[in-house]
Amino acid sequence: GQQLNQSPQSMFIQEGEDVSMNCTSSSIFNTWLWYKQDPGEGPVLLIALYKAGELTSNGRLTAQFGITRKDSFLNISASIPSDVGIYFCAGHQGGSEKLVFGKGMKLTVNP
Amino acid sequence: GAGVSQTPSNKVTEKGKYVELRCDPISGHTALYWYRQSLGQGPEFLIYFQGTGAADDSGLPNDRFFAVRPEGSVSTLKIQRTERGDSAVYLCASSLDRDTEAFFGQGTRLTVV
Repeated sequence: GQQLNQSPQSMFIQEGEDVSMNCTSSSIFNTWLWYKQDPGEGPVLLIALYKAGELTSNGRLTAQFGITRKDSFLNISASIPSDVGIYFCAGHQGGSEKLVFGKGMKLTVNP
Repeated sequence: GAGVSQTPSNKVTEKGKYVELRCDPISGHTALYWYRQSLGQGPEFLIYFQGTGAADDSGLPNDRFFAVRPEGSVSTLKIQRTERGDSAVYLCASSLDRDTEAFFGQGTRLTVV
C-alpha cells in the first residue's frame, strides 16, 4: 500500500542534542500528523498540522506543514532518554478518513 | 474504559485456521479504524467504521478479511484461512467523530505458523 517517504530511517544521538526528521510525498496531503510508538504499544499522536505553511510547537517538539502540502518535518530539541522510540509521519488525503503512514524513524538517545 | 482495548494481545494460530480479533473503543467514540503493521513498517489502513457501517473498507487485502461493528461500539476483525503473510500487529483506533484525533490501542500481535 501507499506509504509516505520518511527519512532518516534511524538516528543515534547524545542526550541534549536536537534531531530533525522529515516526510515527503508525491501527492498532496490535507493534514500531516506526527506519532511516536513505543515497543508493544500503539502510536501516540504528538502534533497535528492542518494548514499549508503551519508551524506548530508542543513543548520540545516543532513541526511544519510544507507549503506545497507534499512534505512535513518534525524537530525535537534538547533530547532526553525518554524520547527513544519510533516516530511516524502520517497524513490524510482528500476527504478520506484513512491515515497513510511513513515507515518510521527509530530514535536512540545515548545518555 | 479509559483507552482503546484490544484482545487478545497475542495470538498464535496455524496456517489455514480462522481467527477473530476484538477491539473495544473508547466509550462514545463513533469512528473506529483497523490498521495492520508489519515488522519495520508503518501501520497500513484496513477499514473504517462510522457507527455500525463500514464507511471505507478499501484497505482490506482480500475477501479472507472481514470486520463487523454490529452495535456501533465493539468491533471484530475476522480472518479466514490464515496465511503466514497475515502475521503482523493489528491495531485498532477510535475517535469521537470523523476529523477528530484517533487514539490507538496496543494492538494484537498475530503469528501464523
